[in-house]
Amino acid sequence: EAGVAQSPRYKIIEKRQSVAFWCNPISGHATLYWYQQILGQGPKLLIQFQNNGVVDDSQLPKDRFSAERLKGVDSTLKIQPAKLEDSAVYLCASSLEQGGSYEQYFGPGTRLTVT
Amino acid sequence: RKEVEQDPGPFNVPEGATVAFNCTYSNSASQSFFWYRQDCRKEPKLLMSVYSSGNEDGRFTAQLNRASQYISLLIRDSKLSDSATYLCVLHGSSNTGKLIFGQGTTLQVKP
Repeated sequence: EAGVAQSPRYKIIEKRQSVAFWCNPISGHATLYWYQQILGQGPKLLIQFQNNGVVDDSQLPKDRFSAERLKGVDSTLKIQPAKLEDSAVYLCASSLEQGGSYEQYFGPGTRLTVT
Repeated sequence: RKEVEQDPGPFNVPEGATVAFNCTYSNSASQSFFWYRQDCRKEPKLLMSVYSSGNEDGRFTAQLNRASQYISLLIRDSKLSDSATYLCVLHGSSNTGKLIFGQGTTLQVKP
């Protein structure tokens, strides 16, 4: 079974530029998560989708970050404009359904460096 | 206070050693607890769930103490391949599946 796919794997941009990340979850998984992992820290949830609806975006910096999952499958996360502190790995995860009993599977992540 | 706190280490141990990691959490309403493993520059992967009665999976034993809001992971007979970062994780109090991660404890097993 194919895992969670993410692209690009690496991205280097200058501050104030824009960047977009793409995630394709495991087939059939209704719930999709975007996490931000800063070096030396654990992942932090940015946004959670159930199908194409947002369940939790309480920790998403909405002045610069946006995310969508229009058809309830693939998702994109965008940063515009980027700041130095946005340098991190952006992890996408998916689970069959939302809720504590469903395991989350993580993709390989996109490593963003903002200079 | 952070929701999940771990000693970041690193823990440097010889092969064959027994090592224990601890984790404390602040939200007494948390219901589900896990240990994830993250290899260098890789994604986190579920190592094991943590049950109130304690549970064991081969060389790994997890314990939960709800009264003290404390979770532990014990690794016996350490292997070189156990070198990784171990993340203490819990579900948020709402049942949406949101995971809350500790910062991780780094283990380096030496020959």
